[in-house]
Amino acid sequence: DTGVSQDPRHKITKRGQNVTFRCDPISEHNRLYWYRQTLGQGPEFLTYFQNEAQLEKSRLLSDRFSAERPKGSFSTLEIQRTEQGDSAMYLCASSLYLRDEQFFGPGTRLTVL
Amino acid sequence: EDQVTQSPEALRLQEGESSSLNCSYTVSGLRGLFWYRQDPGKGPEFLFTLYSAGEEKEKERLKATLTKKESFLHITAPKPEDSATYLCAVLGSGTYKYIFGTGTRLKVLA
Repeated sequence: DTGVSQDPRHKITKRGQNVTFRCDPISEHNRLYWYRQTLGQGPEFLTYFQNEAQLEKSRLLSDRFSAERPKGSFSTLEIQRTEQGDSAMYLCASSLYLRDEQFFGPGTRLTVL
Repeated sequence: EDQVTQSPEALRLQEGESSSLNCSYTVSGLRGLFWYRQDPGKGPEFLFTLYSAGEEKEKERLKATLTKKESFLHITAPKPEDSATYLCAVLGSGTYKYIFGTGTRLKVLA
């Protein structure tokens, strides 16, 4: 399978705990995006990486959220001190440089109890 | 502020009953408009990119068109397997922040 992969697919955590999600983009894609999607809504942009550089970050993203892409390949999204409002599907997408169409992974569904 | 509005929110069609989904947008310098299909519990699947007014793209029973203010996704003779949520997104100039609409939930009945 050469698509975007995400791990874990599901995560249940208690309020106040930290969680980390991983995204492996399509191998030749140097652009990587993170989104959050809640029920009945479209994906909401969180952040964008070009290779290892984080070039854009949503102003809506609180300081509890951080993302990295240390070697320009896989990426991680960490949420510290989770809140019930963080419950959502977290989607990763990748694209080729100079191409705008994004290819999404299956998502990580986070439930905060 | 960049914005995308999709209508209707939900649509039920009989198999073979053609229809159109609407995506209205406001964006500073449109760089591209995108259509995606999303099945329940899965990530969006890319369908089309449109770059300029008057452009059209087709794929099987789907045809996407673009004007300066809106895009339409025409579904011709739909089948039950076309049932999904169809998402529209725009990308403005000078940003990598894609703005998505809330989608149209399409149900095609056999």
